[in-house]
Amino acid sequence: QSVLTQPPSASGTPGQRVTISCSGSSSNIGSNTLNWYQQLPRTAPKLLIYSNNQRPSGVPDRFSGSKSGTSASLAISGLQSEDEANYYCATWDDSLIGWVFGGGTKLTVL
Amino acid sequence: QVQLQQSGPGLVKPSQTLSLTCAISGDSVSSNSAAWNWIRQSPSRGLEWLGRTYYRSKWYNDYAESVKSRITINPDTSKNQFSLQLNSVTPEDTAVYYCARDVPLWDLDCWGQGTLVTISS
Repeated sequence: QSVLTQPPSASGTPGQRVTISCSGSSSNIGSNTLNWYQQLPRTAPKLLIYSNNQRPSGVPDRFSGSKSGTSASLAISGLQSEDEANYYCATWDDSLIGWVFGGGTKLTVL
Repeated sequence: QVQLQQSGPGLVKPSQTLSLTCAISGDSVSSNSAAWNWIRQSPSRGLEWLGRTYYRSKWYNDYAESVKSRITINPDTSKNQFSLQLNSVTPEDTAVYYCARDVPLWDLDCWGQGTLVTISS
């Protein structure tokens, strides 16, 4: 069972906006910045959002992140077929002294 | 551009030791700001952080409680790489293993390509 909680699945049609949630506790999301990763089949996770809401160079501005208290969310606007992937949230946990992850959300573009 | 290149066997027998190496280019294993992690992923356990090594005037390690008694992560400054050893493996250790860098602000920003390790006789 993952330390951070995400919905197992999400879906949307091309052009729509979808959001994926991530909830944790005071020792992880409540105390540290939150990152989002995109994982395509048979590839390593790729950093999508860092420091709650920052995009690395090359990540489209259709992707945005936010955090409030012990929860965070990833929003994808203008959904495209290439966005179909698994999305994971991750942060440091001060109690466990290690990186913790969500269970992942499989995004389907209908 | 930082790149991490993993190497090691894809099949290990139960009770033996799993050994993987992660070669670093574009950064240094002795960096005073980076840490070097091992993470695994399996359908049953999802993404699971195993541990890390880092240099801050001396070498430090952090290990996950779930594997603390069986794991060793070592830096190799002569080859600019770091390694994972996991002892007494069982089929439950079957997973894709990743190495990853973490740096301030960006956190786990760069990952190796992944190595599927199967524990089977």
